[in-house]
Amino acid sequence: DAMVIQNPRYQVTQFGKPVTLSCSQTLNHNVMYWYQQKSSQAPKLLFHYYDKDFNNEADTPDNFQSRRPNTSFCFLDIRSPGLGDAAMYLCATRRDTISDTQYFGPGTRLTVL
Amino acid sequence: SQQGEEDPQALSIQEGENATMNCSYKTSINNLQWYRQNSGRGLVHLILIRSNEREKHSGRLRVTLDTSKKSSSLLITASRAADTASYFCARSGGSYIPTFGRGTSLIVHP
Repeated sequence: DAMVIQNPRYQVTQFGKPVTLSCSQTLNHNVMYWYQQKSSQAPKLLFHYYDKDFNNEADTPDNFQSRRPNTSFCFLDIRSPGLGDAAMYLCATRRDTISDTQYFGPGTRLTVL
Repeated sequence: SQQGEEDPQALSIQEGENATMNCSYKTSINNLQWYRQNSGRGLVHLILIRSNEREKHSGRLRVTLDTSKKSSSLLITASRAADTASYFCARSGGSYIPTFGRGTSLIVHP
């Protein structure tokens, strides 16, 4: 049973053309995270939500925005993708700040032409 | 920051052999988790070990934690080709924001 779902699994966009990636969860978890992962590198946290509270990492470019309209859904908007934004984007959830385990979605592979 | 190192960066073994990978960190932690990532996929949680624990088992996986040395190891016994993946440790030091290492890429040859 899918618990963290990401759509699409593969996204191709053109340089500078806005793109939105989506994440949904059936776990009713309070915390949702967005990570960027480039080849052979560690996942890099972009931002996270605790409920509706948004937390941006200091080094996340302004080009990246996020929305969480309700508990189940979270979106990553890339306003003007550059070639350097090509990566795997991973969504993860966590029940709350006390529990320890993150649950990851399968990821969206973004290609920028 | 919980930044640390994973070692080795790449490991290539034959099916049936054991695979050991290590994770070191620099500051104290509350817990440490190991994840597996198959090529082009998301991360799958394997084992969590808390700072007051020294060893945990799950099937063919054994994780140890040495807080005095600030290191953890993941042992996969009797490896299979299906174990081919990247393995990451994630360290949490009191916030709910874990920090991932760069991972160990494991290849198990049939």
